Amino acid sequence: EAQVTQNPRYLITVTGKKLTVTCSQNMNHEYMSWYRQDPGLGLRQIYYSMNVEVTDKGDVPEGYKVSRKEKRNFPLILESPSPNQTSLYFCASGVMVNQPQHFGDGTRLSIL
Amino acid sequence: QKEVEQNSGPLSVPEGAIASLNCTYSDRGSQSFFWYRQYSGKSPELIMFIYSNGDKEDGRFTAQLNKASQYVSLLIRDSQPSDSATYLCAVIEGAQKLVFGQGTRLTINP
Repeated sequence: EAQVTQNPRYLITVTGKKLTVTCSQNMNHEYMSWYRQDPGLGLRQIYYSMNVEVTDKGDVPEGYKVSRKEKRNFPLILESPSPNQTSLYFCASGVMVNQPQHFGDGTRLSIL
Repeated sequence: QKEVEQNSGPLSVPEGAIASLNCTYSDRGSQSFFWYRQYSGKSPELIMFIYSNGDKEDGRFTAQLNKASQYVSLLIRDSQPSDSATYLCAVIEGAQKLVFGQGTRLTINP
């Protein structure tokens, strides 16, 4: 089954404790991206990757890191999480950016 | 300045009527436009995409694009209660970034 898998689905943690949200897709897609969704603000792109080893900032990259060492994986890293990063996060992938994107089920992060 | 604008709603439409959702965008160079539907607590799912000026129809859904006016819309005919969701407009900007509007919450009343 074609899918984008995010883990964990839910996480409650404390300020400053490094965390990683994993994202994996099995569709051989070139383009992958991360979004955060906050009430009234819609989906905002954090980082995107056009291909392996190629990543770039989206609209809200501050406080986040990513890596794309393999085509299928695109982890999101919060090195020192803060309460303003409490949000719902989605990973997505597509053949290219101008093709339909497939979204993971989302990760709800709470930073206390 | 917001790059992709949608009316956040809520938009309330009676069952069986036509729901009309609108989206404007700021980048004149944008070439690709998408409509996603998101049910509460779920991830977005693609409804339609459109690349060329004019209309594109798929079942009860029609996407309309007017590049001169920088305007894209989604029409839902014969609206059903199951169409109640938030609809997200997305535009490719700068050839690499996918930018979403804040979404329009649609409620279909039986």
